[in-house]
Amino acid sequence: GAGVSQSPSNKVTEKGKDVELRCDPISGHTALYWYRQSLGQGLEFLIYFQGNSAPDKSGLPSDRFSAERTGGSVSTLTIQRTQQEDSAVYLCASSLPSTNSPLHFGNGTRLTVT
Amino acid sequence: GDSVTQMEGPVTLSEEAFLTINCTYTATGYPSLFWYVQYPGEGLQLLLKATKADDKGSNKGFEATYRKETTSFHLEKGSVQVSDSAVYFCALSGGSGGYQKVTFGIGTKLQVIP
Repeated sequence: GAGVSQSPSNKVTEKGKDVELRCDPISGHTALYWYRQSLGQGLEFLIYFQGNSAPDKSGLPSDRFSAERTGGSVSTLTIQRTQQEDSAVYLCASSLPSTNSPLHFGNGTRLTVT
Repeated sequence: GDSVTQMEGPVTLSEEAFLTINCTYTATGYPSLFWYVQYPGEGLQLLLKATKADDKGSNKGFEATYRKETTSFHLEKGSVQVSDSAVYFCALSGGSGGYQKVTFGIGTKLQVIP
């Protein structure tokens, strides 16, 4: 069965370049989340989608970060003018639209900014 | 806002020892509570959950009881195995106003030695 798919799995980019990270959630999961996990740190919430709308963008660290979701399915997280502090593992998760429903995580995209 | 506090690791135990990882939370409303686990080299996955006060979640020998009076959801296992070595995350959903944002603790690394 298909789980949450993220691409690329690894991305190395130069400081100042833009990057796009993709998440393909489980079919039928209307809720989609982006988190960031830095080395030795917990999970930092970035943004949450319900369908195509984002009721909570409060975790986006700066206006260099943006995300969209189209057709209630695939989501893209874009980081413009990357900085070294953006280096982390970016995790995507999806779930059914209920607070009781657990999150299903992808394997993440490891971003390294040189 | 909602928050989850869990003990910092790493926790190192000998095989067959008793495990407790403490987790307390702050939230309005009636959140659902979760423990997620991240095995080395793998993605995060649900370990267990509880959706209302006094519920006990259990899986793979692990247990946690939703204690509203102490706002806690401590993870326990009677006899750990080397294969339990992983990072464990406590999380809550649906705290503030029933909104489906999921808040994670910092994660506790468990190392079980033979």
